[in-house]
Amino acid sequence: AQSVTQPDIHITVSEGASLELRCNYSYGATPYLFWYVQSPGQGLQLLLKYFSGDTLVQGIKGFEAEFKRSQSSFNLRKPSVHWSDAAEYFCAVAPGYSSASKIIFGSGTRLSIRP
Amino acid sequence: DAGVTQSPTHLIKTRGQQVTLRCSPKSGHDTVSWYQQALGQGPQFIFQYYEEEERQRGNFPDRFSGHQFPNYSSELNVNALLLGDSALYLCASSPLAGNNGNTIYFGEGSWLTVV
Repeated sequence: AQSVTQPDIHITVSEGASLELRCNYSYGATPYLFWYVQSPGQGLQLLLKYFSGDTLVQGIKGFEAEFKRSQSSFNLRKPSVHWSDAAEYFCAVAPGYSSASKIIFGSGTRLSIRP
Repeated sequence: DAGVTQSPTHLIKTRGQQVTLRCSPKSGHDTVSWYQQALGQGPQFIFQYYEEEERQRGNFPDRFSGHQFPNYSSELNVNALLLGDSALYLCASSPLAGNNGNTIYFGEGSWLTVV
């Protein structure tokens, strides 16, 4: 069965510092991978996605993620965080080709920013 | 262009009651999916509707049912509410023919509290 693991429940970084959020997935074939962000009381916003091709993908708000097949990982990075980046981050996998396929989410990582 | 809209935003129900949540998809989208997000967890896929039929279903009991109307809007019904049904219910819309994750749009959700 497909699954997504986000090993860090809560991370605190200083404003201006770099960030890396970890994500590991379990899936037999190459999955479709996503990172979403959720601010308090808000819905989910897509940060970036990986379907195929270049394993380093760029997203919105200065985020990037790298797909590493050998490690079954899709870690999210940002070189310099801003206070507005404080939110919950979800890694997700979709096993199917169509966007209509159900998305499987990790349990999330809460990011806090230290002034 | 309105995105995905959900109603109500918040509601409180008593155990054993029934609830109906509503979702209007983004313009041009014909597929609606529902997710349950319990506090501190990632969203879990409930089911998906296309052409007024349930196309996929997650691991949820039959107490969870849905409907899609000819205008593509959708309802999620939960019968015999349990305390454990308290969660944020998210609606996502997409065009079935789409194959990119960025065509999946999430609403801001309906917060259900069961007391």
